[in-house]
Amino acid sequence: ELKVEQNPLFLSMQEGKNYTIYCNYSTTSDRLYWYRQDPGKSLESLFVLLSNGAVKQEGRLMASLDTKARLSTLHITAAVHDLSATYFCAVDPYNNNDMRFGAGTRLTVKP
Amino acid sequence: DTEVTQTPKHLVMGMTNKKSLKCEQHMGHRAMYWYKQKAKKPPELMFVYSYEKLSINESVPSRFSPECPNSSLLNLHLHALQPEDSALYLCASSYRQAQTNEKLFFGSGTQLSVL
Repeated sequence: ELKVEQNPLFLSMQEGKNYTIYCNYSTTSDRLYWYRQDPGKSLESLFVLLSNGAVKQEGRLMASLDTKARLSTLHITAAVHDLSATYFCAVDPYNNNDMRFGAGTRLTVKP
Repeated sequence: DTEVTQTPKHLVMGMTNKKSLKCEQHMGHRAMYWYKQKAKKPPELMFVYSYEKLSINESVPSRFSPECPNSSLLNLHLHALQPEDSALYLCASSYRQAQTNEKLFFGSGTQLSVL
C-alpha cells in the first residue's frame, strides 16, 4: 500500500525563522507535487518536481526531491504571516495523475 | 481563463434528494477529476475523465455518478447520500492525463452537507 507521510503535521513558527517540511513516500515515483490550501479554500499548485535532484524555488519557498531516498522537502526561508496555510505533498506513482496526498502540514506563522 | 469553476459553492441536501455538482473549465484541458476532502484531511481521488471517458474510478459508491458531457464540463450526480458523505468536493483539470510536468488546476469546491 502506498504511504505518503508528512512531518510535522502541525508547525507553529515565528516570522523571520526558517523551517523544513518533510515528505516521505513508500513507493517509486518520478513525480512529486506540493500544494497549498488556505482554510476553506481550494488547492493551489506550488511545485512540480519531476526528477531526482530537482530543486525549485518560488519566493520564500524551496522544494527539492530525492527519488532514491523517496523524500521531498519544502524549505521555508524567513517566514511571513502570509505563508500560514496547509501544505500538502502528493505523489503520482502510476504516472497517470492518480495523485496520492500526504496528510498535510498545517503551518501557522506568528509575529 | 485559467479557472476551474464549480457550482454550487454550498449545498445542503437530505438523504432522499437528488442533486448535481457542476464543474467547468475553458483551458482546453482534456483530463478532469473529482476529489473528496473531509475536514482537516487530504483530498482523496474519486474519478478521473480523460478525453471525456472515465479512466479511473476509485471504488466510489454508486450513489455518486460522474458524467462528462463534453471536454469543458464535468458533473457529479448525487442520489441517496449518507451523512458521512458530507465533505468538500473538489473538481480539478489538467492538460492531459499522464503527461509529464502536469499540474492540476483545482476549483474552489462545493461544500456539501447531507442531513
